[in-house]
Amino acid sequence: GDSVTQTEGLVTLTEGLPVMLNCTYQTIYSNPFLFWYVQHLNESPRLLLKSFTDNKRTEHQGFHATLHKSSSSFHLQKSSAQLSDSALYYCALPYMGYKLTFGTGTSLLVDP
Amino acid sequence: GGIITQTPKFLIGQEGQKLTLKCQQNFNHDTMYWYRQDSGKGLRLIYYSITENDLQKGDLSEGYDASREKKSSFSLTVTSAQKNEMAVFLCASGGQGAQVFFGKGTRLTVV
Repeated sequence: GDSVTQTEGLVTLTEGLPVMLNCTYQTIYSNPFLFWYVQHLNESPRLLLKSFTDNKRTEHQGFHATLHKSSSSFHLQKSSAQLSDSALYYCALPYMGYKLTFGTGTSLLVDP
Repeated sequence: GGIITQTPKFLIGQEGQKLTLKCQQNFNHDTMYWYRQDSGKGLRLIYYSITENDLQKGDLSEGYDASREKKSSFSLTVTSAQKNEMAVFLCASGGQGAQVFFGKGTRLTVV
């Protein structure tokens, strides 16, 4: 079945350094679209980014990601981490638009 | 805008007890979801429903039942609570391929 893999459970870095959180996926669907969700402490997950187009960069709130079907990847990046970016980040894959499968999540901790 | 309301916010149950969690949405979305959130295991799909009276099993459906009697509501039943179980259950709704919105969650503790 469809699956999403996030290899890092915890990423710790210093404010101002670049962020990259990995996401790879497996699906039988030929035209997948991928999401990144962010969950801050004591809040519910909310949508951060979504991508429907292969090799097209999508950006929101300083974060960006590019869907690469050739490598089945949708890595999340930011050029300079802020303290407020500390949160739990989920990559997600909808199957046929309905069954939304999430990865195990990556906790990002940004230190001053 | 809309909102997803989950009740109760906190649920304490006893081992073996049947427990029901409720979810209401006013987005008029067709699809609704129940996820379980455990530390280190991410969001695992328990049940989803693409329309009223439809039910689809997720990856974690064993030990749970669900009901979608109205478009706006989706309930989840823990059929037999497991001792020392602690988890957050999140309800969500969304249209096909569209953004999914989450409720604030129900925190379950089984004593």
